[in-house]
Amino acid sequence: ETGVTQTPRHLVMGMTNKKSLKCEQHLGHNAMYWYKQSAKKPLELMFVYSLEERVENNSVPSRFSPECPNSSHLFLHLHTLQPEDSALYLCASSSGTVNTGELFFGEGSRLTVL
Amino acid sequence: AQSVTQLDSQVPVFEEAPVELRCNYSSSVSVYLFWYVQYPNQGLQLLLKYLSGSTLVKGINGFEAEFNKSQTSFHLRKPSVHISDTAEYFCAVCVYGGSTLGRLYFGRGTQLTVWP
Repeated sequence: ETGVTQTPRHLVMGMTNKKSLKCEQHLGHNAMYWYKQSAKKPLELMFVYSLEERVENNSVPSRFSPECPNSSHLFLHLHTLQPEDSALYLCASSSGTVNTGELFFGEGSRLTVL
Repeated sequence: AQSVTQLDSQVPVFEEAPVELRCNYSSSVSVYLFWYVQYPNQGLQLLLKYLSGSTLVKGINGFEAEFNKSQTSFHLRKPSVHISDTAEYFCAVCVYGGSTLGRLYFGRGTQLTVWP
């Protein structure tokens, strides 16, 4: 496998459920990101991890909980979500040693909250 | 603060016609500039990037973009589009240097639709 892989591709959950999104990168990068993509809105950066440490958290509600156990894996744990959290969640990675901003994206996890 | 404005939310064109997707940014410092493309039900894919050097940048699939510092623009062009170019296109800027690791600011996107 190459690139950035996200699972599941589609997820439907109720507001009381607990689920997790998974991201795995095979590019040897050491920085990983979660973005939220909603219709008619710019991509929103949620979290940034560099060398497994969270370096940015853009005022994301606590019902979203990220986890980065190593430089290749990134999770987004979800609990008691709201319908407005329905969106495409994109994972990305970058080579942290060169800050050019070039990101490599996964195909996204389409989340629907009922 | 940085912001990215994509002036057209939708651009419909006929196959083999030229197209230009406009992007303007505001930043008080030097930036890196990017265009990403998103096909239906997929993630974002890098189309091209400007880091330094020649202001005319060529990317994949026959696209090119020109960096204009005085007008703070980075418009994307293709001389002849194909139906397969139908997708959403995102302009993005990254602040040069500093501690903002890979901090990209995205525009709202432009939906390019190519008709036969």
